Amino acid sequence: KNEVEQSPQNLTAQEGEFITINCSYSVGISALHWLQQHPGGGIVSLFMLSSGKKKHGRLIATINIQEKHSSLHITASHPRDSAVYICAVARGPGGGADGLTFGKGTHLIIQP
Amino acid sequence: KAGVTQTPRYLIKTRGQQVTLSCSPISGHRSVSWYQQTPGQGLQFLFEYFSETQRNKGNFPGRFSGRQFSNSRSEMNVSTLELGDSALYLCASSLNHGRDEQFFGPGTRLTVL
Repeated sequence: KNEVEQSPQNLTAQEGEFITINCSYSVGISALHWLQQHPGGGIVSLFMLSSGKKKHGRLIATINIQEKHSSLHITASHPRDSAVYICAVARGPGGGADGLTFGKGTHLIIQP
Repeated sequence: KAGVTQTPRYLIKTRGQQVTLSCSPISGHRSVSWYQQTPGQGLQFLFEYFSETQRNKGNFPGRFSGRQFSNSRSEMNVSTLELGDSALYLCASSLNHGRDEQFFGPGTRLTVL
């Protein structure tokens, strides 16, 4: 079983819909990262969080440390949000020896 | 502030050759991490360098190595290339630690024939 599991693997939605991508992990972590990757390979860091909730524009990320679960929400989705969203965890505390461990990613397509 | 740069962007090699990839971090960032991305395995951590020292290493064979220079620029080397080494190689820089927010470069796409 992968240490970081994402769901769904693929998601197609209509413009304007509310999007939720889930990430569950099985190891103790010091931080969780949400990343966005567009076709062509470039990766952008969206959020890094270790507790609670963060918001940036139409994106919201939450994490529940006790349940080892995080969600990424996109409000009022737009075709430009189409990308692969990747969850990654940094082990902790003090256990960063393995670097980041990544989920397989969620392929999101927003249709106009 | 300039972002993370990687050179070259594309590379084609044949089996048995070796290759060196370069990464220049954001100015002031001291940690550089390297990742391999393949369709089958996804993103995997290769190693992290901080202050010219390898601080962490992923589960890759010894053919994969790297180094960091005093200006924080980093190189990774793959010797005796295999077909399975074909991948997108990404580096990311962060202020002080690989667990900090990471800023990714555009990647080097390596094809091994």
